[in-house]
Amino acid sequence: DADVTQTPRNRITKTGKRIMLECSQTKGHDRMYWYRQDPGLGLRLIYYSFDVKDINKGEISDGYSVSRQAQAKFSLSLESAIPNQTALYFCATSGTSSYEQYFGPGTRLTVT
Amino acid sequence: AQSVAQPEDQVNVAEGNPLTVKCTYSVSGNPYLFWYVQYPNRGLQFLLKYITGDNLVKGSYGFEAEFNKSQTSFHLKKPSALVSDSALYFCAVRGLSNTGKLIFGQGTTLQVKP
Repeated sequence: DADVTQTPRNRITKTGKRIMLECSQTKGHDRMYWYRQDPGLGLRLIYYSFDVKDINKGEISDGYSVSRQAQAKFSLSLESAIPNQTALYFCATSGTSSYEQYFGPGTRLTVT
Repeated sequence: AQSVAQPEDQVNVAEGNPLTVKCTYSVSGNPYLFWYVQYPNRGLQFLLKYITGDNLVKGSYGFEAEFNKSQTSFHLKKPSALVSDSALYFCAVRGLSNTGKLIFGQGTTLQVKP
């Protein structure tokens, strides 16, 4: 089984709808991250969390919110989706003492 | 501000030839550098990292990277390319703070032709 899972894998939604993307991990890592990937821009950090009580904004947090329900679960919400939020979204985890991050398979979100 | 640049959008090589994917960085202090690979419809997979020590770092799938402090570069290399190496490659640098945040380059598509 994959260490970092994301649901759904694909989603098409309409402008103005609320949508939640979910991430779960079995690696036992404390740190979790949400990125979005756009062609030619690489990955940009939306939010990150050190533990359940520690959530921080990344470089592009406007229009997004997150919830860390447990050490293993980190959800990303779009309160009112807009077309320029169409992108590939990745969840990642890392341990406190490790340097590399481990990524989920991604969620492809299309906002029409 | 910290940044990573991958100057080539795409690199084309013939199977069996050596490959290089370029990465330059700008950081204050000692850099923590990473390479990731993304296959179609898949998440990013960790290839290798440089934290300290030997400038030549070996990673997964026969890849290696050379850290060059004077040129602020961290180029990814492989002596003999495979068609299955065709993918999107990202260089990343860890941010200054202890957040573990990664700053990514824009990515380079590697195309290996038979």
